[in-house]
Amino acid sequence: QSVLTQPPSASGTPGQRVTISCSGSSSNIGSNTVNWYQQLPGTAPKLLIYSNNQRPSGVPDRFFGSKSGTSASLAISGLQSEDEADYYCAAWDDSLNGVVFGGGTKLTVL
Amino acid sequence: QLQLQESGPRLVKPSETLSLTCTVSRGSISRSSYYWAWIRQPPGKGLEWIGSIYYSGDTYYNPSLKRRVTISVDTSKNQFSLRLSSVTAADTAVYYCAAISSSRLTVQHWGQGTLVTVSS
Repeated sequence: QSVLTQPPSASGTPGQRVTISCSGSSSNIGSNTVNWYQQLPGTAPKLLIYSNNQRPSGVPDRFFGSKSGTSASLAISGLQSEDEADYYCAAWDDSLNGVVFGGGTKLTVL
Repeated sequence: QLQLQESGPRLVKPSETLSLTCTVSRGSISRSSYYWAWIRQPPGKGLEWIGSIYYSGDTYYNPSLKRRVTISVDTSKNQFSLRLSSVTAADTAVYYCAAISSSRLTVQHWGQGTLVTVSS
C-alpha cells in the first residue's frame, strides 16, 4: 500500500493528451513539492518533473506538472509511442523525514 | 553529474542479512547537498524508500523496516552501505542507491539498481 495514490493505468492514442493524478496528505504533498519519475522497463527511474512543475534539462515541454493542495497531476501532451512507461509521483514526507512514492501508473500508447 | 553504483551479493538466504554498498563518483559523499538513500522495488511493484543518511551521519529509516535496517557511510571510500537483517522472500527486489537533494528534497540521482533475490 503506497502512501501516495495514483491510478494503476492510463492510456491514449498518439497525439492525445493524458493526465495522471497523484493524491497525498498534509504531511507530504500538502507541505512539500511533488516530483515525477518515468521508468522504462529494466531501467532506473528518471526524474521528469521536480518542484511541482520544473523540467530538468532535456525533458520535453510536452510534460507538465501541477499541484493543488494535497494533490498533483502530470499531463503529457502530443503523446508519443516512446512515452509508454511507468510513471511515479513522489514527495518528501515531514513525518517520516523521507520520500514517499505513489504506486505507479502504467501508461499505454494505443 | 554525480554517479552511483551498487555492489554486493545478488542471492541471500532467508533469515540472513542483505548487505549492499553504493560507491559515489564524480562528487564527494561529504557534501551537505545530498541525503544518501536506499530505495527498493519488488518485481512488478512500486518504489519504496528504505532509509537515508546525511553526511553528518544522521540516519532516517522507513518505520516499516526500521527494526531491520542499518545505513552507514564511509567517507574515506566515498561509499555508503545498507544492511537488512532477517530477510524473507518479501525482501526480493531491485535495490537502488540514490542521492536526494537536501534543498529540493528530490531524488535527483539514481544508481542503475541491483536485483537481490532471497532464496535458499
